Amino acid sequence: EVQLVESGGVVVQPGGSLRLSCVASGFTFTDYTIHWVRQAPGKGLEWVSLISWDSGSTYYADSLKGRITISRDNSKKSVSLEMNSLRPEDTALYHCVKDIGDSTTLPWIAFHIWGQGTMVTVSS
Amino acid sequence: QSALTQPASVSGSPGQSITISCTGTSSDLGSFSLVSWYQQHPGKVPKLILHEVNKRPSGVSNRFSGSKSGNTASLTISGLQTEDEADYFCCSFARSDTFVFGGGTKLTVL
Repeated sequence: EVQLVESGGVVVQPGGSLRLSCVASGFTFTDYTIHWVRQAPGKGLEWVSLISWDSGSTYYADSLKGRITISRDNSKKSVSLEMNSLRPEDTALYHCVKDIGDSTTLPWIAFHIWGQGTMVTVSS
Repeated sequence: QSALTQPASVSGSPGQSITISCTGTSSDLGSFSLVSWYQQHPGKVPKLILHEVNKRPSGVSNRFSGSKSGNTASLTISGLQTEDEADYFCCSFARSDTFVFGGGTKLTVL
């Protein structure tokens, strides 16, 4: 079974930092781009970042650029998202998502398999 | 990057067809065919129902179809069923090497 399990969500004060982690199983991890997508309570979806299979390409949402860093460790089938200078508007459920594209298609196409998410709350 | 524009809500009766529009700009929808749609039931994670405008992932009903013209994409659900009642989000790749979502549309099946 294809699975993505996130962790690291906490309650943090404004200006604080945290590191989210995502561990994958059930598929050939090195074939796929991984994304982070977030959803604030009662709100819509917002794409956060992506990392290609070989870490050669990393992209970030403008609203978060400069404050976050995505990385992956293919030996551990894991992806991390480092977040700094957190703001109350960063409060959301953060999902790790496997792309539907693979080594035979475009590297990033759409958000196929979603993890259940890890909750980040930024509040004093 | 501004969000794509979707109607806040649409409704239909069982068996009918409905269409949800998604409007972007020449920097996103108008330039790329990497348009995808997601269905989200309350308390559940989103589910990919269409990618690359009109391709269905394995297991997704053929009642879901998509199209794109210029800066606007559309999702059509035919033969509405009560289980189709959910929130629907469109998404497009954008020129800044980012992805942008629509605000979401709540579908009510009357």
